Amino acid sequence: NAGVTQTPKFQVLKTGQSMTLQCAQDMNHEYMSWYRQDPGMGLRLIHYSVGAGITDQGEVPNGYNVSRSTTEDFPLRLLSAAPSQTSVYFCASSYSGGLSGNTIYFGEGSWLTVV
Amino acid sequence: AQSVTQLDSQVPVFEEAPVELRCNYSSSVSVYLFWYVQYPNQGLQLLLKYLSGSTLVKGINGFEAEFNKSQTSFHLRKPSVHISDTAEYFCAVTVNTGFQKLVFGTGTRLLVSP
Repeated sequence: NAGVTQTPKFQVLKTGQSMTLQCAQDMNHEYMSWYRQDPGMGLRLIHYSVGAGITDQGEVPNGYNVSRSTTEDFPLRLLSAAPSQTSVYFCASSYSGGLSGNTIYFGEGSWLTVV
Repeated sequence: AQSVTQLDSQVPVFEEAPVELRCNYSSSVSVYLFWYVQYPNQGLQLLLKYLSGSTLVKGINGFEAEFNKSQTSFHLRKPSVHISDTAEYFCAVTVNTGFQKLVFGTGTRLLVSP
């Protein structure tokens, strides 16, 4: 079972560059989301989606764009990278965003460094 | 709005000793509570969750947690830890109505030594 797959695992960007973090899940989950993990701050929600064509902002959305054209994919775009976006990014999914008790499954993470 | 406090950033313990990782939450509404574990350079894996019913919840790898509504706590325990339990542990909470948005604590690093 592939579960939640993120690519790339490691990336170094220069300030001002753009890139896309890819996320795909093969569990037919409606709910997908992106978190960033920073030391001493836990995980913070960036954007989320409750289904294809529907996205919304989380706790720290500035500097990031998302779209959800298919159920399987939920890419995260950095339009103009800044050093403050150096972080570990996690994609997550669950069966239904409407039921708060469902288990959320996480990808392996993407380590991004902006220099 | 709910928040989660993990009181210890790091907990050192010897192998085969018991351990308790503390988590307190604040919320004006009923919540669901979760503990996740993150091994080095990996994603997060669900250990256990409390939705309703019995306040003592058993999870994977011998961990358990007790929901205490009056103290707004959800502490994680294991009676005897192994070296392989060395990891970071995150407590998380979500409101039990509407769309699921997990709010995470800052994490507790469990360091198990021989």
